[in-house]
Amino acid sequence: AQKITQTQPGMFVQEKEAVTLDCTYDTSDQSYGLFWYKQPSSGEMIFLIYQGSYDEQNATEGRYSLNFQKARKSANLVISASQLGDSAMYFCAMRELPYGQNFVFGPGTRLSVLP
Amino acid sequence: GAVVSQHPSWVICKSGTSVKIECRSLDFQATTMFWYRQFPKQSLMLMATSNEGSKATYEQGVEKDKFLINHASLTLSTLTVTSAHPEDSSFYICSARAGTSGSPFVDEQYFGPGTRLTVT
Repeated sequence: AQKITQTQPGMFVQEKEAVTLDCTYDTSDQSYGLFWYKQPSSGEMIFLIYQGSYDEQNATEGRYSLNFQKARKSANLVISASQLGDSAMYFCAMRELPYGQNFVFGPGTRLSVLP
Repeated sequence: GAVVSQHPSWVICKSGTSVKIECRSLDFQATTMFWYRQFPKQSLMLMATSNEGSKATYEQGVEKDKFLINHASLTLSTLTVTSAHPEDSSFYICSARAGTSGSPFVDEQYFGPGTRLTVT
């Protein structure tokens, strides 16, 4: 069975600074995808970044980068130059590959960006 | 990206009544849709997997007679909470599978905006 652990219930970061949100996972699958989603107070799930288990390079999407360490089973999200609008819940999630499987979510980390 | 809608976005109902939540894929066909539930300050938990034209597959602990799922077309899945009780109050989110992307092995799935249900 798959399991996602996020050990930081809440994080604070100063505006314009970088922050790392931790995520570790457990799976016996060989092929899987790791995702990060942002959930503001409105509740919508906003896709941020994806990393495939076979991808050799760390994924990057604008200010978001994923620090993927396969041997350690970790997939930390790094947000550079934090903005006030980054304040939200952040969920690390996993999906078994190939197609058609559901997400398994971690408990989430609430990020607060301070002015 | 593809668009998934949910209706209603929020609903308040009395205990004992039933409420139907719709999940629609607006610009693609979704053979598979997933229903998740999120209690306050908690994570999303999968309730059931809905495949067009067949019976839904429910996760352990989810009552299939209470949470009726119908995936009658490639663009619409509905979740009906029957005889709702206050403990059913939650945020219900669907996601729809849009098919494969350019990346190997990966299919694209998109979330709806969610439906907040309050049972009084």
